[in-house]
Amino acid sequence: ETGVTQTPRHLVMGMTNKKSLKCEQHLGHNAMYWYKQSAKKPLELMFVYNFKEQTENNSVPSRFSPECPNSSHLFLHLHTLQPEDSALYLCASSQVSDQPQHFGDGTRLSIL
Amino acid sequence: ILNVEQSPQSLHVQEGDSTNFTCSFPSSNFYALHWYRWETAKSPEALFVMTLNGDEKKKGRISATLNTKEGYSYLYIKGSQPEDSATYLCAFRNAGNMLTFGGGTRLMVKP
Repeated sequence: ETGVTQTPRHLVMGMTNKKSLKCEQHLGHNAMYWYKQSAKKPLELMFVYNFKEQTENNSVPSRFSPECPNSSHLFLHLHTLQPEDSALYLCASSQVSDQPQHFGDGTRLSIL
Repeated sequence: ILNVEQSPQSLHVQEGDSTNFTCSFPSSNFYALHWYRWETAKSPEALFVMTLNGDEKKKGRISATLNTKEGYSYLYIKGSQPEDSATYLCAFRNAGNMLTFGGGTRLMVKP
């Protein structure tokens, strides 16, 4: 059990669909993160939230829209994605931004 | 763009062998260096967070050293076991709020 839960585990969607990825942590952490793992590429940070405020956006296209309604939940809203967006999307959390991060199992996203 | 390099990309060792791999990162604006272990079909698991030059941390048979002046960290595994097979990731954090990951070293330990 990781303490960080991501749903769904797998998602297949068309380029015109709208879907959302969900991340939930019950570790009492204040920072949450979205990462993207594409094939044969390093893990890439997308967004950082500290105390529900977005502090980093790593030049992510606007078709990815994060939402952090409270410190336990993080969403990634997806709209009109491209085939190259197919990847593993990982959520992580930490006590504060310089502590080790706890990762979820990820959502494997495939864009048709 | 921050350059975090890990070598080798992959490594095959025999059970009982000791091994080590390298993470190199920018030596300027250093804040912290993270190591993670990522087993197939599982989530990455934190091993160490290192912040001081000369830091040496240990967790069981795994240890790590840090040289912030020259921009490298070594991860050592003593007496490798099949369950050590995983991808080992390092991540560099500068004074900003972002972790930049290396490409990982994939370790396979043969029984």
